Amino acid sequence: GDSVTQMEGPVTLSEEAFLTINCTYTATGYPSLFWYVQYPGEGLQLLLKATKADDKGSNKGFEATYRKETTSFHLEKGSVQVSDSAVYFCARYTGRRALTFGSGTRLQVQP
Amino acid sequence: NAGVTQTPKFRVLKTGQSMTLLCAQDMNHEYMYWYRQDPGMGLRLIHYSVGEGTTAKGEVPDGYNVSRLKKQNFLLGLESAAPSQTSVYFCASSTPFSGTGGGQPQHFGDGTRLSIL
Repeated sequence: GDSVTQMEGPVTLSEEAFLTINCTYTATGYPSLFWYVQYPGEGLQLLLKATKADDKGSNKGFEATYRKETTSFHLEKGSVQVSDSAVYFCARYTGRRALTFGSGTRLQVQP
Repeated sequence: NAGVTQTPKFRVLKTGQSMTLLCAQDMNHEYMYWYRQDPGMGLRLIHYSVGEGTTAKGEVPDGYNVSRLKKQNFLLGLESAAPSQTSVYFCASSTPFSGTGGGQPQHFGDGTRLSIL
């Protein structure tokens, strides 16, 4: 079935370090892909999206490229800040009017 | 600038009690969703609705019922609460998904933390 697999967390980085959070999805068609972010005590917020192969979504310094050949949508940021500490969720469209989410990756950025 | 509003924010129930969680959105979205979030499991879809008067089952519907009598509201009911339903519940809404790839993001409320004793 439709699924999304994310790297286990927590990911702990120092401020200004480079971030990569891996995400792979099952290849049923060409689903839209999303990254959401959840700050403590809040709901999920859309961070970025890509709707077709080779698209690059970007927002707030974060980027992710839709890679059809590797069925991946890895999240990257060149220089993380303490304020980026949150839980990040990768998601894909299921084809049945809904999204399937990965299990989430907690990022902790230390000053 | 309300977006998606969930009430209540916190609730503690005893096993066997019933309750209703309310979700309201002011973005005129057609689609609405209820998820539960448990540690290490991400979000799992309970029920969803693609329009007023329609509902459909998601991944984990057992023990829950929903209603969408008005476009802006989506209610989640627990008929007889069980400790396994202790979770954080999120409501979301979106415009209709387009084409075969989807593409429309979902907008989330801040969640309801529910504990069943």
